[in-house]
Amino acid sequence: GPKVLQIPSHQIIDMGQMVTLNCDPVSNHLYFYWYKQILGQQMEFLVNFYNGKVMEKSKLFKDQFSVERPDGSYFTLKIQPTALEDSAVYFCASSLVVGPGNTLYFGEGSRLIVV
Amino acid sequence: QQKVQQSPESLTVSEGAMASLNCTFSDRSSDNFRWYRQHSGKGLEVLVSIFSDGEKEEGSFTAHLNRASLHVFLHIREPQPSDSALYLCAVSMRATGGNNKLTFGQGTVLSVIP
Repeated sequence: GPKVLQIPSHQIIDMGQMVTLNCDPVSNHLYFYWYKQILGQQMEFLVNFYNGKVMEKSKLFKDQFSVERPDGSYFTLKIQPTALEDSAVYFCASSLVVGPGNTLYFGEGSRLIVV
Repeated sequence: QQKVQQSPESLTVSEGAMASLNCTFSDRSSDNFRWYRQHSGKGLEVLVSIFSDGEKEEGSFTAHLNRASLHVFLHIREPQPSDSALYLCAVSMRATGGNNKLTFGQGTVLSVIP
């Protein structure tokens, strides 16, 4: 099926530093998403993005978070500065359209450890 | 706020025996239900989507939705050891503007014994 690629798969970073998580969505998809899963907890919605803009974000999407997709390249999640509570697996997803009947395709996740 | 709960937390079945997983949601205006599977260290694989009451079959996976009782079930016919994984229920609502904001359950860990 359609593949969403995420880079890196794992990253360890010192608290306070910046990290960028990269997502290569399905090639013809137009809507992009980030979800966060803390170890042992449910996966939770962070943000969705379309046509260069954030459409909706949750309360988990702190001011230190930002997303962009410059010129059709990677869809990125940047955290600056990082905090210990940002340690989690971050899943990128993409979809062709929105609305009922549409399907999100997820990547394998980027595991972030903030020390 | 939408709450999605899955049961059981873990389930062990013998190869070939039917496996049934339960997902309960809280918001009756939910209209978009999906079951995903996640093998250890891998991404989410969509199994079956259902949008109206009744059943929807995709291969060996059947979703059964009953919105009145706030339940959506997943039945796995003749599971194999390769079906051992974390199964996630995801729910969204048309009221969110169809932005595909999914609320996930905590998952059921299925183990299929040869």
